[in-house]
Amino acid sequence: QVQLQESGPGLVKPSETLSLTCTVSGGSIITYYWSWVRQSPGKGLEWIGYIHYSGATNYNPSLESRVTISVDMSKNQFSLKVTSVTAADTAVYYCARDAACTVWGQGTMVTVSS
Amino acid sequence: QAVVTQEPSLTVSPGGTVTLTCGSSTGVVTSGHFPYWFQQKPGQAPRTLISDTKNKQSWTPARFSGSLLGGKAALTLSGAQPEDEAEYYCLLSYSGARMVFGGGTKLTVL
Repeated sequence: QVQLQESGPGLVKPSETLSLTCTVSGGSIITYYWSWVRQSPGKGLEWIGYIHYSGATNYNPSLESRVTISVDMSKNQFSLKVTSVTAADTAVYYCARDAACTVWGQGTMVTVSS
Repeated sequence: QAVVTQEPSLTVSPGGTVTLTCGSSTGVVTSGHFPYWFQQKPGQAPRTLISDTKNKQSWTPARFSGSLLGGKAALTLSGAQPEDEAEYYCLLSYSGARMVFGGGTKLTVL
């Protein structure tokens, strides 16, 4: 059974870059798409984007200019970077398998604050 | 970017039946939008209930079913249980394989 685990700093300063990693266990990162989703406190889910193991990506147009998703097949991991963060980027960040998020990580809270 | 609409809140009696819907600002929702449904309980990650309009996951209780209804995607819960009280989200796929979540429906079993 595949499992996903997010990791990264829980606190990021405004204007800096948010960086998170998702480690995939119990299965290979190859052959699937891998997604990032976030949820601001008390709000709904927001699709950030996804990556194919080949490196092909697709991003939410509203975030595309600040977001990069990458994959490291050697480590069975994929990563998210969000640049120039503001308080509006404070959220629980989830990684998930497939473009439509069939399997989810437990999520990690990231707060943007000085 | 398309907007996906869901009822903000619904209430169902224990044992009752309720239908949650998922509409699109671009028009009729079809199987080509590959509707997905997720359940999220407080403090937990979402979990997938329905994929590609009507396909259940191995863990999806039989009382949940997905369909297309009246130009929207629909999630029907037949025989509601107290543990079904949760937030429910739909997800649609659009041109360019970009995904959009609905705003969520808070379902109360009361």
